[in-house]
Amino acid sequence: GAVVSQHPSRVICKSGTSVKIECRSLDFQATTMFWYRQFPKQSLMLMATSNEGSKATYEQGVEKDKFLINHASLTLSTLTVTSAHPEDSSFYICSADGDRFIPGAFFGQGTRLTVV
Amino acid sequence: GQNIDQPTEMTATEGAIVQINCTYQTSGFNGLFWYQQHAGEAPTFLSYNVLDGLEEKGRFSSFLSRSKGYSYLLLKELQMKDSASYLCAVRDRDSWGKLQFGAGTQVVVTP
Repeated sequence: GAVVSQHPSRVICKSGTSVKIECRSLDFQATTMFWYRQFPKQSLMLMATSNEGSKATYEQGVEKDKFLINHASLTLSTLTVTSAHPEDSSFYICSADGDRFIPGAFFGQGTRLTVV
Repeated sequence: GQNIDQPTEMTATEGAIVQINCTYQTSGFNGLFWYQQHAGEAPTFLSYNVLDGLEEKGRFSSFLSRSKGYSYLLLKELQMKDSASYLCAVRDRDSWGKLQFGAGTQVVVTP
């Protein structure tokens, strides 16, 4: 299967600082990447859809100025949580789509963000 | 959008069979996924159904009825390691790759 790598796996940051999370497709070109957030004991909620070379499309209720997404190449998308607050503490997961397999099938390992 | 319903929790004995049901409502169905997620980890892809019928893959099988908006995941010969959350997700025809997830079913396998 395709490999999607997400980094870091865990991060602890102080309230008010920014955190960048990377999502890479290692063996394929990802024209589209999806960013999800998962709170404890809840399901995955789509935050935004990231297309290479264009602006991300955010889901309703997700602040685009707070969650900055950049998809500068076909193998890398980044999510930056700006001015993080404790309520942003969550599990962030990316998914990447290519043309060689079922879209939606492969996720990164996830990033556990804790804001203190 | 989609409304996706699945039971919150199911308990079964090691070696038994468990069936997790998922019902959905969508304006433009384009595939249903099942994922397994262990605590603290990302989801792992289990199956994908886009046509009616049963897809079998080892101990796991998934069934789809598009007319009924219904799917199930069947886990056979349960093992302790199968204790996890199982997520049903639906893809919309107009949003290739974008998934709407159910809340997940926590399966507890007991000795």
